[in-house]
Amino acid sequence: DVKVTQSSRYLVKRTGEKVFLECVQDMDHENMFWYRQDPGLGLRLIYFSYDVKMKEKGDIPEGYSVSREKKERFSLILESASTNQTSMYLCASSLDGYNEKLFFGSGTQLSVL
Amino acid sequence: AQSVTQPDIHITVSEGASLELRCNYSYGATPYLFWYVQSPGQGLQLLLKYFSGDTLVQGIKGFEAEFKRSQSSFNLRKPSVHWSDAAEYFCAVVPANQAGTALIFGKGTTLSVSS
Repeated sequence: DVKVTQSSRYLVKRTGEKVFLECVQDMDHENMFWYRQDPGLGLRLIYFSYDVKMKEKGDIPEGYSVSREKKERFSLILESASTNQTSMYLCASSLDGYNEKLFFGSGTQLSVL
Repeated sequence: AQSVTQPDIHITVSEGASLELRCNYSYGATPYLFWYVQSPGQGLQLLLKYFSGDTLVQGIKGFEAEFKRSQSSFNLRKPSVHWSDAAEYFCAVVPANQAGTALIFGKGTTLSVSS
């Protein structure tokens, strides 16, 4: 089975801190994604990457950046965390360009105080 | 702008009753369509998908969905709901014939099942 691993299940940070959320997949998938999930808002796309060192902005990229130096790892960076970035962050990967099936990590619940 | 709408935020269905969850999309062309389910405390799981062909697609756990181009809809159905179906359901779309894009999700519908 494909495994998408997010490094932390729960994370508490302070306003202004630089935060790194790590995601690793073990099935040589080309495409990787970061979403945030908030009650009543569903999943919103932050960034995605369809190749190493390539990245594309999603619907809500403001306040975030990403890094994909290796195919299996896709990192989400909050340059200066703010309270409105408190959320559940979901990483996903897919093999093909049409995302026939997304494999999700278990999520990181980030609280910014 | 491309969008996915799930008109119902919360639905309650009696166990054993039928279920229909609505999904409408707004795209220039027919997209690829998906339904995902997220049980409490669990990750998202793909229920079914439509790429082309038969407009009635079967998925896991007894779910099915029907693509209606004229209505820009992809509604999810189940003939008899079980208590374990209580979860949040997300409709998602991606542009067809446009590789290298990402799924766009609706805001979700929470299903409660009463006994």
